[in-house]
Amino acid sequence: DAMVIQNPRYQVTQFGKPVTLSCSQTLNHNVMYWYQQKSSQAPKLLFHYYDKDFNNEADTPDNFQSRRPNTSFCFLDIRSPGLGDAAMYLCATSRGPGVGGRNEQFFGPGTRLTVL
Amino acid sequence: GIQVEQSPPDLILQEGANSTLRCNFSDSVNNLQWFHQNPWGQLINLFYIPSGTKQNGRLSATTVATERYSLLYISSSQTTDSGVYFCAVETSYDKVIFGPGTSLSVIP
Repeated sequence: DAMVIQNPRYQVTQFGKPVTLSCSQTLNHNVMYWYQQKSSQAPKLLFHYYDKDFNNEADTPDNFQSRRPNTSFCFLDIRSPGLGDAAMYLCATSRGPGVGGRNEQFFGPGTRLTVL
Repeated sequence: GIQVEQSPPDLILQEGANSTLRCNFSDSVNNLQWFHQNPWGQLINLFYIPSGTKQNGRLSATTVATERYSLLYISSSQTTDSGVYFCAVETSYDKVIFGPGTSLSVIP
């Protein structure tokens, strides 16, 4: 089945120690998104890639970076995690607007990040 | 920017009851999705519904784009329906904004 996969599902890191979260997709979608979701809140968009074009949200801290080496993979790098970065990180994909038809988002299961 | 509101914020239902969840948005949107987030955090697609009405089993949704709202109907609720229901709208340039969610608890 076509899907969005996130690894690891649970990640524990230390304050200030860089961490990388991974997302892969078999849907061959053009757009990949990273969201941060804190407890009892809605997912908040951090950034997205439309193919290789990177789109950063204005309020995304510089501490968060992303890489998309190819269509299938996208990474979220947190350079110096703080206690406030503990959250669920969700990856999503979509075809993209103008491709024809639905620009429906599909989400992976998420990575729950703990910062000690 | 566009504002997305959902009501009610919390809802407790007896198993078998029906409910209606509402999503209001402040500007025109390209599309609208309804998601169910289960207790493990997975966001499950319920409906992709920029306009019109769709049904899937016990769930149905209606979006009236001209009046900037969408409704999600849950009939004959089951305990497995518990979780948080989000609507998410897409504005221009792929910007997707989630509403704050409705937390639903279905009790036996």
